[in-house]
Amino acid sequence: EAGVAQSPRYKIIEKRQSVAFWCNPISGHATLYWYQQILGQGPKLLIQFQNNGVVDDSQLPKDRFSAERLKGVDSTLKIQPAKLEDSAVYLCASSTRLALNNEQFFGPGTRLTVL
Amino acid sequence: AQKVTQAQTEISVVEKEDVTLDCVYETRDTTYYLFWYKQPPSGELVFLIRRNSFDEQNEISGRYSWNFQKSTSSFNFTITASQVVDSAVYFCALSEERNNQGGKLIFGQGTELSVKP
Repeated sequence: EAGVAQSPRYKIIEKRQSVAFWCNPISGHATLYWYQQILGQGPKLLIQFQNNGVVDDSQLPKDRFSAERLKGVDSTLKIQPAKLEDSAVYLCASSTRLALNNEQFFGPGTRLTVL
Repeated sequence: AQKVTQAQTEISVVEKEDVTLDCVYETRDTTYYLFWYKQPPSGELVFLIRRNSFDEQNEISGRYSWNFQKSTSSFNFTITASQVVDSAVYFCALSEERNNQGGKLIFGQGTELSVKP
């Protein structure tokens, strides 16, 4: 079974530029998560989807971050414009369902460096 | 306030030593789940274990064991006879019932374990 795919793996941009990350979850997984992991910290949830609907985006900086999952499968996370503090690894995860105890499967992440 | 605290930032041991990674959590919910994930240098977090708040039985899986104590709000992870392949960052995480329809995880800061040959 293929795991969670993410691209690109690495991205370097200058501040105020825009960037987009792509995630393809495990086939059949209805729930998709985007986490931000700053160096030396644990991942922090940005947004969570159930199929193509948003379940939780309370920690997404909506003035600059946006995400969509139009067909309920793959997802795109965008930052526009980027700031220096956005430098982090962006992790995508998926799970079979909405539940407190669901196991989340993580992709390899996209490492973003903002100069 | 941190909901999940992993006070040990880095631990270094020599192969075959036992090592315990500490995790202390904070929640007002009676129903919650605790998790441990491993993040090797490749970057992908790998699920290790899940416990619910009503099950305080300790668990052993090979060289890994977990000690869950509600009285001290701790969920510690022990690796027996550590190996070089255990080198990674380990995260403890909490999934609370309150304001959490979809099982979002609250992670600790992580403990970087280095096992030297």
